[in-house]
Amino acid sequence: EAGVAQSPRYKIIEKRQSVAFWCNPISGHATLYWYQQILGQGPKLLIQFQNNGVVDDSQLPKDRFSAERLKGVDSTLKIQPAKLEDSAVYLCASSSEGLPWSYGYTFGSGTRLTVV
Amino acid sequence: DQQVKQNSPSLSVQEGRISILNCDYTNSMFDYFLWYKKYPAEGPTFLISISSIKDKNEDGRFTVFLNKSAKHLSLHIVPSQPGDSAVYFCAVKTSYDKVIFGPGTSLSVIP
Repeated sequence: EAGVAQSPRYKIIEKRQSVAFWCNPISGHATLYWYQQILGQGPKLLIQFQNNGVVDDSQLPKDRFSAERLKGVDSTLKIQPAKLEDSAVYLCASSSEGLPWSYGYTFGSGTRLTVV
Repeated sequence: DQQVKQNSPSLSVQEGRISILNCDYTNSMFDYFLWYKKYPAEGPTFLISISSIKDKNEDGRFTVFLNKSAKHLSLHIVPSQPGDSAVYFCAVKTSYDKVIFGPGTSLSVIP
């Protein structure tokens, strides 16, 4: 099966600009996650979707970050305006409802954002 | 307030020897524990997991041990191979299938 697709792979923007990331999960996976991984740290959950509804967005900086998952498939994560501290790798992951946790869930390759 | 700690940022091991990566957590309500491996420029990949009702799970060269009383788990890799060189993340599953990651340990296996 195809994996989790993310684009772009790399993005460099100036502070105060806006940027958007796209994720296409594994076909049929109902749950989609966006994580932020700052260099030297573990991935931090930003938002979790179940189909097209938000399950958890408690750590999403809502003054500048937004995310949507239309039709319960693809998702986009947007930052506007970007700050220097937003430089990180943005990872998307997906999982299937009822998937045994012995299998974890699958990540995409990520988008590396550099804010200058 | 870190709920998952990996106190060793890095570890070097000779090829063929055992690698032991450690992880501590704070909440006894976590019900599943996972290890992910990450190579540069790639997303993390799932490696092995263990349920809170078990104390050991083995998959080939990889074994995870869980000590619930100490809130501690460890990943053993035997024998270690150069291809095992990567960053290893310990992670815990909370309610609503939310996963929290530790900061990671960078493993270098020296040929």
